[in-house]
Amino acid sequence: AQSVTQPDIHITVSEGASLELRCNYSYGATPYLFWYVQSPGQGLQLLLKYFSGDTLVQGIKGFEAEFKRSQSSFNLRKPSVHWSDAAEYFCAVASNAGNNRKLIWGLGTSLAVNP
Amino acid sequence: EPEVTQTPSHQVTQMGQEVILRCVPISNHLYFYWYRQILGQKVEFLVSFYNNEISEKSEIFDDQFSVERPDGSNFTLKIRSTKLEDSAMYFCASSDLAGIYNEQFFGPGTRLTVL
Repeated sequence: AQSVTQPDIHITVSEGASLELRCNYSYGATPYLFWYVQSPGQGLQLLLKYFSGDTLVQGIKGFEAEFKRSQSSFNLRKPSVHWSDAAEYFCAVASNAGNNRKLIWGLGTSLAVNP
Repeated sequence: EPEVTQTPSHQVTQMGQEVILRCVPISNHLYFYWYRQILGQKVEFLVSFYNNEISEKSEIFDDQFSVERPDGSNFTLKIRSTKLEDSAMYFCASSDLAGIYNEQFFGPGTRLTVL
């Protein structure tokens, strides 16, 4: 069965430091992968997505993620974190069953940013 | 920028009562989804809806749940007789084409508390 694991429930970084949030997936075919961010009181906003092609994908707000098939990973990175990046981050994979591609989610990683 | 809206932001109800959660998807979107997140657990797919009918539903979406698009703009989730375990954050999403090739846009969520 398809699944997504985000090993880190909570991460704290200092402003200006680099960030890497981990995501591992279990999927039998080429996965379609997403990172979403949720700020307090806000909806889930798409940061970036991977379907095919270049394994390093760029997203909004200076985020990028690298798809590594050999490691079944899709880690999210940012070279320099800003205080406004404090939020909940979710990794998801799209199911290939059915006509509508429901999303299967990780547990999320809560990011705190110290000034 | 167009966005998905949800009302109410917080709903408190007694066990056994019916609740209706409302969503207004983005106006030109054709596919609609409900997800839920029980506190401390993963976001879970509930149902997808296209062309005025359910496209796919999860095991969670039993006879107590129903969805409707009563007019050209609203998309509702009804829980007929709420249970304590229905307490969760419910997210509505919409997309202009099926799932993976197009982003699902999410609303801010409705927090349902069943007492």
